[in-house]
Amino acid sequence: GAGVSQSPSNKVTEKGKDVELRCDPISGHTALYWYRQSLGQGLEFLIYFQGNSAPDKSGLPSDRFSAERTGGSVSTLTIQRTQQEDSAVYLCASSPTIRGQGATDTQYFGPGTRLTVL
Amino acid sequence: GENVEQHPSTLSVQEGDSAVIKCTYSDSASNYFPWYKQELGKGPQLIIDIRSNVGEKKDQRIAVTLNKTAKHFSLHITETQPEDSAVYFCAASWSAGRYGNKLVFGAGTILRVKS
Repeated sequence: GAGVSQSPSNKVTEKGKDVELRCDPISGHTALYWYRQSLGQGLEFLIYFQGNSAPDKSGLPSDRFSAERTGGSVSTLTIQRTQQEDSAVYLCASSPTIRGQGATDTQYFGPGTRLTVL
Repeated sequence: GENVEQHPSTLSVQEGDSAVIKCTYSDSASNYFPWYKQELGKGPQLIIDIRSNVGEKKDQRIAVTLNKTAKHFSLHITETQPEDSAVYFCAASWSAGRYGNKLVFGAGTILRVKS
């Protein structure tokens, strides 16, 4: 079946502009995660969604970063007033949920969006 | 919070030889340890995982071992092939109920298999 998809695959923007990154999780997966992969920092957690709510936002690096999820499916990560240090690959992952037990631990990643801030 | 260290950062092996990548974690509450393979320009792909109630798991040429007491786990690839060349990441997570299972990753190992 279809895996996690992300768009755009590449985004080049100018410093100070806002960007939106999109994630389509695997159908039926109610848990969704955003991670950032940057040189020298490895893969780091940003935010976790269960359905449309985000119980864990602890990884968002500043208030310029926000994310939402609608309909329990598509999620959008928004970065306002982009800075050069925001340049990275932004990865989305989804996992299924077991009723009464929450999200399972197995996460499936999308191909990522490579963001370059000039 | 959890911290995962991964070694070596780069590993070169001859085709047919074995490769071993090691990780240590700090939080004894961690109970899930996946390994991901990432090829250039692609997202991480889950290749094998192990949970804290198991000491070893195998899947064809790939195996993972876990030592909970020492807080370390290892990936073993036997009979390496050129297509095994990639970056490998270990990770650790714990079941945080409604707060999900965020993964904490190691820094990655670049594996090169020379033919």
